[in-house]
Amino acid sequence: SQTIHQWPATLVQPVGSPLSLECTVEGTSNPNLYWYRQAAGRGLQLLFYSVGIGQISSEVPQNLSASRPQDRQFILSSKKLLLSDSGFYLCAWSPGQMDGYTFGSGTRLTVV
Amino acid sequence: AQSVSQHNHHVILSEAASLELGCNYSYGGTVNLFWYVQYPGQHLQLLLKYFSGDPLVKGIKGFEAEFIKSKFSFNLRKPSVQWSDTAEYFCAVNAQVNMLTFGGGTRLMVKP
Repeated sequence: SQTIHQWPATLVQPVGSPLSLECTVEGTSNPNLYWYRQAAGRGLQLLFYSVGIGQISSEVPQNLSASRPQDRQFILSSKKLLLSDSGFYLCAWSPGQMDGYTFGSGTRLTVV
Repeated sequence: AQSVSQHNHHVILSEAASLELGCNYSYGGTVNLFWYVQYPGQHLQLLLKYFSGDPLVKGIKGFEAEFIKSKFSFNLRKPSVQWSDTAEYFCAVNAQVNMLTFGGGTRLMVKP
């Protein structure tokens, strides 16, 4: 069966520090991968998606970037965190472009 | 661009009451529709989905949803809620490739 792992679960980082959140999927190949940010009362906002290694699409211009160095690995990064980057970040995968998504357990990021 | 609206941000019910959470979307073409649930401290889980066929779909834990194309709606229902249904519920629509769009969520509190 397929599983998705996301870490760390919580992270407290100072303003201006770098960020790296990792997400891996097991039990499938060539998944579509996604990074979402969840804000209270605002639902989930799609940040990035990837349909293959090295292929990244950004939905919202911001201080973050994403990379997919391997088929089942998706990384969310920042060179210098801002206070506004605080939030709950979710990784997800889907088998196809119009299917439902399976979400990871999320990372609570607090920038101080 | 597609959008999803959940008009009820907070709902408080007593156990055994009936539940209906509204979801409306803006997109005139073919859509795939989803309801996700996030229990306190847990990750997002798929509750039910509609791709085609019978517009009344049944999901886990006694939930169901009805797709009404003419109203662009996909409301979630449960005849009798339980305290364990306390959670946040998200409607999501996939109308464009790689674009699962979420509503703002509805927080449901069920009083014992």
